[in-house]
Amino acid sequence: GENVEQHPSTLSVQEGDSAVIKCTYSDSASNYFPWYKQELGKRPQLIIDIRSNVGEKKDQRIAVTLNKTAKHFSLHITETQPEDSAVYFCAPPNKLVFGAGTILRVKS
Amino acid sequence: SAVISQKPSRDICQRGTSLTIQCQVDSQVTMMFWYRQQPGQSLTLIATANQGSEATYESGFVIDKFPISRPNLTFSTLTVSNMSPEDSSIYLCSVLEGGGYTFGSGTRLTVV
Repeated sequence: GENVEQHPSTLSVQEGDSAVIKCTYSDSASNYFPWYKQELGKRPQLIIDIRSNVGEKKDQRIAVTLNKTAKHFSLHITETQPEDSAVYFCAPPNKLVFGAGTILRVKS
Repeated sequence: SAVISQKPSRDICQRGTSLTIQCQVDSQVTMMFWYRQQPGQSLTLIATANQGSEATYESGFVIDKFPISRPNLTFSTLTVSNMSPEDSSIYLCSVLEGGGYTFGSGTRLTVV
């Protein structure tokens, strides 16, 4: 089955700093790479995704980059704000599994 | 995107009893997925529910413990049977849209 590793497991940053979370996958045939955000007590929500024909996608303060050669994709959050505090999950492409999650804490 | 109504939102149940969770989608979908999220953990797929056929269960999950119904393309139920405290968890239904998941609001189950 698909092997996925998500790092780091926890991440604390100061408000205004950047945060980067990385997900490594094993299936080279993958073509869709999503990231989910789960706030405390709420359902996971898709926040950004990328397809394999592009290397980067941005949506305001968040971006996803893809390195197909190295088989990893990363979530980048710039100018972090307290409301970015949540658990973030990657979901390996084409598979019904999720990464272990990263707890992001933004300290104000 | 699809809107999924899931109920109940939470319940406290006695061990040995069963609870049925319902999910209603506002559009027709081929597959619905049931996930479990234990406290502080990631999401684990329980099974995939297809309309008109038996659900497909993931390793570690069996039909006798988690029977699923899928009577039409907009509705599914998951039953947690003969519950024990280890079944205390959040259960989420979901659908795939354009590659990404949309989730129901979840059912927080506590077994005492």
